Amino acid sequence: DARVTQTPRHKVTEMGQEVTMRCQPILGHNTVFWYRQTMMQGLELLAYFRNRAPLDDSGMPKDRFSAEMPDATLATLKIQPSEPRDSAVYFCASGWALAGNEQFFGPGTRLTVL
Amino acid sequence: DQQVKQNSPSLSVQEGRISILNCDYTNSMFDYFLWYKKYPAEGPTFLISISSIKDKNEDGRFTVFLNKSAKHLSLHIVPSQPGDSAVYFCAASASNNDMRFGAGTRLTVKP
Repeated sequence: DARVTQTPRHKVTEMGQEVTMRCQPILGHNTVFWYRQTMMQGLELLAYFRNRAPLDDSGMPKDRFSAEMPDATLATLKIQPSEPRDSAVYFCASGWALAGNEQFFGPGTRLTVL
Repeated sequence: DQQVKQNSPSLSVQEGRISILNCDYTNSMFDYFLWYKKYPAEGPTFLISISSIKDKNEDGRFTVFLNKSAKHLSLHIVPSQPGDSAVYFCAASASNNDMRFGAGTRLTVKP
């Protein structure tokens, strides 16, 4: 039963601290996406990778957010320094690089920045 | 920029009746449309999709309609069941595989 995994599931931190969220995509998928869910904006695309190369990170605040894929089994999203407005649920999704192919989502990381 | 819009944040329907969820988009380059369903504390899961070359796709109780000239699509659920209660996201993608999501509509199906 292949699925996307994300760690941690919950994170509470104080403003100014570094936060790292991790994602293990489904084996064989070659695209990975990071989304943020907020009440007002729904699912916002933050960044996505194809074959581990970043294709689009225009949705991320560049000064504090960074996304990487050190290898095919791990994607990371880092926030440094974190701010209260970053509080949200962050989802990772993976899929195949064909137009319209469904994405498979992880369970999300609920981040609270105090 | 909200390229995909779901203007109804919530919808309440009686069990057995039809649920109609609507979605509008602005980017004419979108050529594939998907609906995802999300339960609390879980990630969204794929429900049904439609290509821009079609105007209807049906899968059991779920039917998606696409009106390209109006840049509008809708998801029909009939008959609605209490287990359908969830948040439904509309999504659209262009050939570059970039996918944009709407803000979601919370559907409540009352027994």
